[in-house]
Formats: sequence, structure tokens, C-alpha cells
Amino acid sequence: NAGVTQTPKFQVLKTGQSMTLQCAQDMNHEYMSWYRQDPGMGLRLIHYSVGAGITDQGEVPNGYNVSRSTTEDFPLRLLSAAPSQTSVYFCASTTKGGTGELFFGEGSRLTVL
Amino acid sequence: ILNVEQSPQSLHVQEGDSTNFTCSFPSSNFYALHWYRWETAKSPEALFVMTLNGDEKKKGRISATLNTKEGYSYLYIKGSQPEDSATYLCASDPYSGGGADGLTFGKGTHLIIQP
Repeated sequence: NAGVTQTPKFQVLKTGQSMTLQCAQDMNHEYMSWYRQDPGMGLRLIHYSVGAGITDQGEVPNGYNVSRSTTEDFPLRLLSAAPSQTSVYFCASTTKGGTGELFFGEGSRLTVL
Repeated sequence: ILNVEQSPQSLHVQEGDSTNFTCSFPSSNFYALHWYRWETAKSPEALFVMTLNGDEKKKGRISATLNTKEGYSYLYIKGSQPEDSATYLCASDPYSGGGADGLTFGKGTHLIIQP
């Protein structure tokens, strides 16, 4: 059982480049979300989705796009990378009607030069 | 945006000693309080999800209590072992969606167990 899988694990970008962080889960979870982790900060919510075709903004959505075309996949797109987006990104999922316990991917460390 | 505060930020404890730390959260619009354990180079893993005032949960040597009226939760570790070294995160779920809208996390308590 793979759980939540994120790719890539590491990425270096130049300012202005775009890229997509991939997230896939095989637990048939309805709810998925993206967080970023910065030194001295708690995990901050970027975007979330309550089901295929439905997405919404979290606390820090600027500079990021998401889509949810299937239950399994929830990619996070950086449109024009900025050094302020240097961070560790976590994708998480949870099941509808459950306790809300989040299952996290292993994280993607992104550096923007 | 709700503020979730954790204290202390870091803690050094001798192996075998017991310890505890605190999470405070807004008591209004409360649905659930989560605790996660986050080991270096791994992903956070859930310890407890608590919803009821006065609730107490236990997993091995780790336990947690919840006071929703005053907005705090304590995490206790009894007889600390080196493998308990980790960052412990708490998070508030203020809605009835059971995590649908995401959680608000504190900054964590970084626990180091010294042999």
C-alpha cells in the first residue's frame, strides 16, 4: 500500500521557471490538500480539494494553482517560481466521514534560485 | 486565520524522564484537535484526533488530554526513550468537515531525548 506519493523529492528551479509537484494517493480518499513548511513556521495550507473537480484556496495560495481531475491525483503548479517559494511541500489526504486524520506524503524540497 | 500555539518550542529531556508540552487553540468554532509526530526526514504521522471536552487518549507511553472550553491540550510522554525524539505538531480543525478544509498547525515542539 503506497499511501500518498509525492514527486519529485528534490527540485532546484530558477526564478521565473514553472513546474508541477505531483501527488497521488491510492486510499480512495476524497479530501486532499497541499501544505508548505518553512523554518520557524507551522505547516501552512496552500490549497485543498474535497473531491474531483472541486478545489479551494487555503492560507497561502498566491503563486500556486491546483486541479483535481481524478480522486487519486492532486498536482500543485508553480506558475512562475520565486525565491519566496523555496520550501518543503507536503501533500496530505483524508477520508470523508472519518476522524480527519491526515496521511502525508514524504515531502518535496524545492529550492528557487 | 486561527492561531494554534505550542510550547515550549524545544525541549531536552533525559532518557527515562517523563515530559509534557502544551497546545493552545481558539475554543470557538472547535471541531477536533490533532497531534502528529514528525521524525526527521520522514512525514508527519497522526498520534491522536480528539473531539470531546475532557477526552483523554493513550498510545503506549504517550497520552493526550483535551480541554475545549479553555482551548488547550497536553501531550504527555512517560519514561522518554531516544526513539521519542521528534517534532510534535498539534493542529486545529475548526469545522465539522473532518479535515475537508485543511487544518491549522502550530509550529511544533522539538523534543530531544538525551541518553
